[in-house]
Amino acid sequence: QQPVQSPQAVILREGEDAVINCSSSKALYSVHWYRQKHGEAPVFLMILLKGGEQKGHEKISASFNEKKQQSSLYLTASQLSYSGTYFCGTDVYGGSQGNLIFGKGTKLSVKP
Amino acid sequence: DSGVTQTPKHLITATGQRVTLRCSPRSGDLSVYWYQQSLDQGLQFLIQYYNGEERAKGNILERFSAQQFPDLHSELNLSSLELGDSALYFCASSEGTGVVGGEQYFGPGTRLTVT
Repeated sequence: QQPVQSPQAVILREGEDAVINCSSSKALYSVHWYRQKHGEAPVFLMILLKGGEQKGHEKISASFNEKKQQSSLYLTASQLSYSGTYFCGTDVYGGSQGNLIFGKGTKLSVKP
Repeated sequence: DSGVTQTPKHLITATGQRVTLRCSPRSGDLSVYWYQQSLDQGLQFLIQYYNGEERAKGNILERFSAQQFPDLHSELNLSSLELGDSALYFCASSEGTGVVGGEQYFGPGTRLTVT
């Protein structure tokens, strides 16, 4: 039940756009996005909840299609600082539990 | 700096041994989560504690156990270690009980190498 992320890796030039997709075989209560730079801990980007609510504190946009159990992360006008591995975490239990099932990640490299 | 601390940073031990990883959550956070990150499996949720009580369990082996103490720090105990247990172990914390409540703040991790 691990979500599938695509692409596995992407290389961009500064200023280019990218879309990272996350697809689950199970119904989702929420989707969480994290970015991990090499040698560092994952850092929260955004939560997307059923019903359309979103919580995040970066200028990143994302979508959540509840019917298709899919989420996409949109990185526009990429900067060097966007480089890292992006993980989606899926919440298939809802409620007050803390289980997040993470995908294997999408490695994003932004070149000057 | 997320405010979550983990010790030790690195741990090298032999197969069959037992180790304890320690985590102190951010001030005010009541939930602590443990994750294992290996190259082939990605980030795997192990277990969650909320205010001293076990709240959720993931793919945690029976050889592994955890607890959260009254001061909210948590320990992950790994016993009868195998080569395959070599990984980066992250602790994360959050304010509320569940994932929908908000973000998880990850500590810097403990890199465990089993030889």
